[in-house]
Amino acid sequence: DIQLTQSPATLSASVGDRVTITCRASQSITSWLAWYQQKPGKAPSLLIYKASTLETGVPSRFSGGGSGPEFTLTINSLQPDDFAIYYCQQYDSSPTFGGGTKIDIK
Amino acid sequence: EVKLVESGGAVVQPGGSLRLSCAASGFTFSSYWMSWVRQAPGKGLEWVANIKQDGSEKYYVDSVKGRFTISRDNSRKGVYLQMNNLTVDDTAVYLCAKGRSSWYMEAFDMWGQGTVVTVSS
Repeated sequence: DIQLTQSPATLSASVGDRVTITCRASQSITSWLAWYQQKPGKAPSLLIYKASTLETGVPSRFSGGGSGPEFTLTINSLQPDDFAIYYCQQYDSSPTFGGGTKIDIK
Repeated sequence: EVKLVESGGAVVQPGGSLRLSCAASGFTFSSYWMSWVRQAPGKGLEWVANIKQDGSEKYYVDSVKGRFTISRDNSRKGVYLQMNNLTVDDTAVYLCAKGRSSWYMEAFDMWGQGTVVTVSS
């Protein structure tokens, strides 16, 4: 199975900050990587697919980058609604998820 | 409105069985691979199983192989997860998820709210 390692596990930030989360794959996944946002008690919501393609309706302050094995999710000008947990997921083979990154208020 | 609604979660004893259901609406259900993903309390996401559009291919995470069976009924727009020989490690919220395209390997662009399975004596 392909392992995904996310860092950091927790990130403290303020409204207006630019934040970056990293996801490293244990083997090549080309660009088959997605990013999700999850809020407490809610289902995940797709933000980015194919490493850098923004899902319809997702604000442009979210962006994805990188290529195997290291990928990034960047949020420009963090908004109050962005404090949540973020997961990466690979779909090059049987899907696996990273351990998650919680963004909380500094 | 595109919607996935899970049901069937319950408290069950170790060794017991449960059948989860996911009702889909608002999209051409028969055109997409469907998956089950679970989330243990306070933990991350784990893909459990998926099923091809016509039900002819099914895949499972190793930890549930031989115990869980995924199925679908396109006429009812439903996907199901039969879970047998449950253990405490199966305790989780089980979410139904839709692939973003008709391709086998895809991101999940629609999720249900989940149904809670608790395995406890």
